[in-house]
Amino acid sequence: DTAVSQTPKYLVTQMGNDKSIKCEQNLGHDTMYWYKQDSKKFLKIMFSYNNKELIINETVPNRFSPKSPDKAHLNLHINSLELGDSAVYFCASSQGVEELSTDTQYFGPGTRLTVL
Amino acid sequence: GQNIDQPTEMTATEGAIVQINCTYQTSGFNGLFWYQQHAGEAPTFLSYNVLDGLEEKGRFSSFLSRSKGYSYLLLKELQMKDSASYLCAAMDSNYQLIWGAGTKLIIKP
Repeated sequence: DTAVSQTPKYLVTQMGNDKSIKCEQNLGHDTMYWYKQDSKKFLKIMFSYNNKELIINETVPNRFSPKSPDKAHLNLHINSLELGDSAVYFCASSQGVEELSTDTQYFGPGTRLTVL
Repeated sequence: GQNIDQPTEMTATEGAIVQINCTYQTSGFNGLFWYQQHAGEAPTFLSYNVLDGLEEKGRFSSFLSRSKGYSYLLLKELQMKDSASYLCAAMDSNYQLIWGAGTKLIIKP
């Protein structure tokens, strides 16, 4: 059983297009995340979201927007794609317990986005 | 500012021991995570430390010193499949993970 799944795994598109990446987790977790990993392999948090609040990394352009239809899903919409958006995007989820305990994040397989 | 430092790349020999160091500076601290990421795959959880000391889990151990803002991941009896990037991440006072850029570990026969 896949804990955190993403679709599509690969996405190739033209500059200026609008695209979406879907993420689903079946772990019953309360918090979900979107990360961008660029060619230098640095993981950059884009959003974290639970049923209480959305935390946005202020450096993320507003062309990126998360959409959560329910607790198990957090989709990423990207408008007006640019060349610099090419990267691997990872979805993750965690229990989101706000205390000194291990809040392990479980990652999806990633979506490799290539903007031409 | 918040910062995580770890070496970019390390090389070790199969069967040997390697220690990957990580130093961190965060606003508050709620624990230190190590993740393993094979090329083209998602990061997977290895360990979590919030108290000072060594946590051992099979061939992998992780150490934390909160006063020094320092952690290391120790890998023993290295196997070829351990070739991967190892990501250090510190959780700040807002329970947000601050990630390092990862250490690429190359294992040679």
